[in-house]
Amino acid sequence: GAVVSQHPSWVICKSGTSVKIECRSLDFQATTMFWYRQFPKQSLMLMATSNEGSKATYEQGVEKDKFLINHASLTLSTLTVTSAHPEDSSFYICSASYKAYEQYFGPGTRLTVT
Amino acid sequence: AQSVTQPDIHITVSEGASLELRCNYSYGATPYLFWYVQSPGQGLQLLLKYFSGDTLVQGIKGFEAEFKRSQSSFNLRKPSVHWSDAAEYFCAVGNTGGFKTIFGAGTRLFVKA
Repeated sequence: GAVVSQHPSWVICKSGTSVKIECRSLDFQATTMFWYRQFPKQSLMLMATSNEGSKATYEQGVEKDKFLINHASLTLSTLTVTSAHPEDSSFYICSASYKAYEQYFGPGTRLTVT
Repeated sequence: AQSVTQPDIHITVSEGASLELRCNYSYGATPYLFWYVQSPGQGLQLLLKYFSGDTLVQGIKGFEAEFKRSQSSFNLRKPSVHWSDAAEYFCAVGNTGGFKTIFGAGTRLFVKA
């Protein structure tokens, strides 16, 4: 139980285009979803927290206009990287939660911007 | 502010040898502590967690961790390492309210034959 999927697992896009990453909780309803960014050989950096039906809460230093997060249902959250640039290339991981102190992580999405 | 320190960037152990990965935390109240494992290019898998009670916590894949309040530590141990244990290990602490997790920098484990 408690499976989280991400799609796509790997995406390459051209500089200036936008890319959408989906995060789904497959067998539970997630009241809260988290988006993390991980640089090579580094830890996870929390980008934002989203609750179903409300605006995401972004961490300090994360551009909310660049990283658009939508949590439209209890099983789906999306992260859209707008006007992507090579420095946005990274590994993006989502997690989903339905109770405190319990997070279930997706397999991650590797974004490469050329 | 909460923080998590993993002093070892990488560790190499021989297959069959014992393992201990160090983790120190900074938190004002009783911490909620976690260890996760990440294989290359994958998401995170929870190995074990400590919320309260017995300070020695058993997890999956033969891992255990011991919470020591006096040392602000939550070290991960395994008595006999397998080659498949080679991965990145993250210690983490949950904040008050439980919906935000702070991760350490990670320790990469290499296993040699």
